Amino acid sequence: GESVGLHLPTLSVQEGDNSIINCAYSNSASDYFIWYKQESGKGPQFIIDIRSNMDKRQGQRVTVLLNKTVKHLSLQIAATQPGDSAVYFCAENENGGSNYKLTFGKGTLLTVNP
Amino acid sequence: DADVTQTPRNRITKTGKRIMLECSQTKGHDRMYWYRQDPGLGLRLIYYSFDVKDINKGEISDGYSVSRQAQAKFSLSLESAIPNQTALYFCATTGGTSGAGTDTQYFGPGTRLTVL
Repeated sequence: GESVGLHLPTLSVQEGDNSIINCAYSNSASDYFIWYKQESGKGPQFIIDIRSNMDKRQGQRVTVLLNKTVKHLSLQIAATQPGDSAVYFCAENENGGSNYKLTFGKGTLLTVNP
Repeated sequence: DADVTQTPRNRITKTGKRIMLECSQTKGHDRMYWYRQDPGLGLRLIYYSFDVKDINKGEISDGYSVSRQAQAKFSLSLESAIPNQTALYFCATTGGTSGAGTDTQYFGPGTRLTVL
């Protein structure tokens, strides 16, 4: 079956550096993607989303890039802070229209060193 | 997200017991979901509901049942708990016109369930 996955299970960066978390997806019909942040002991928290008619979207210190040609999604965090330490999940919407079911990747653990 | 609440937050029970996990939301969303999270496996969908009269099985519904008592309430039951149902359980909601988009799911804080 089609799935969403992550290239790197763990990422360690220095405070102040930029972080890039990658995600590969295989469902060419997916048209909506979300990045979630999950801190220890908490539920996933929405960070940013992007639809397939866009290739870039920016938020506060975060940017999501979508490359539909190679089915790749990335989350860039600028000036990474200790509070950014968490597990980051990408998710895709399977049907993009009336379904609203999301398929989640397994997550990448981001550790920010002071 | 305080708009989605789950009770209890932690529960330890014994094999064979019936357990109910509750979820309530004040976001006015019509769609609600139950997931379980296991280390290394990510989030897996158990059941979902698009409105009060609509209940659908997810990828791992065996051993679970749900009840959508109202638009704002969606309960998950383990009819006869077994140790491999030990996991983190999350409720999520989506829908409406607020937030990032109608497809964005908003999660509760989770319930840690341990079955001995």
